[in-house]
Amino acid sequence: GESVGLHLPTLSVQEGDNSIINCAYSNSASDYFIWYKQESGKGPQFIIDIRSNMDKRQGQRVTVLLNKTVKHLSLQIAATQPGDSAVYFCAENGDGGATNKLIFGTGTLLAVQP
Amino acid sequence: ETGVTQSPTHLIKTRGQQVTLRCSSQSGHNTVSWYQQALGQGPQFIFQYYREEENGRGNFPPRFSGLQFPNYSSELNVNALELDDSALYLCASSSDSGRIHEQFFGPGTRLTVL
Repeated sequence: GESVGLHLPTLSVQEGDNSIINCAYSNSASDYFIWYKQESGKGPQFIIDIRSNMDKRQGQRVTVLLNKTVKHLSLQIAATQPGDSAVYFCAENGDGGATNKLIFGTGTLLAVQP
Repeated sequence: ETGVTQSPTHLIKTRGQQVTLRCSSQSGHNTVSWYQQALGQGPQFIFQYYREEENGRGNFPPRFSGLQFPNYSSELNVNALELDDSALYLCASSSDSGRIHEQFFGPGTRLTVL
């Protein structure tokens, strides 16, 4: 069945270090991927996205890497700050873009130590 | 602020009861998607409403139903509540169907079924 999973449920880093959050997806037909950040008591917040015709995309302090060969996605956060502490989800488009359906993974909790 | 609002914030019901959750989409958005997020899990797609019609559904039974109104606000109705329905219910709105990257999530409604 369809699934998007994460390798590490919890990641603890020191403030100022770089963070890497990994994700494996199973649907090779997916062509669009998003990373979301969810803080306690809030809904998911868009961070960065990438289409399957790209290997890498950079934003402000964040980079997403896509390896279609092994169906792997990663989110890199540079100079991690306490405000980055949250649960991070990867998600893929669930039906090729016909609707806004997203398939989410289970999430990784990022804990930033001061 | 995303502009997507949900009510109520929290709700407690007992098994067998019915519940209605509400979502006001962001101004200018005509598409609303609903997700169920169990504790420690990623959101699961329930269904999407586009211009007052359901146009996509996930693996949820018929006792999960919805409505979208002319102002594009939406309701999620759940009949015959079960304990496993306890979750955070999220709605997300966008300016059109098929525009995942412009989808904004509300803060959610926490439903507890006793």
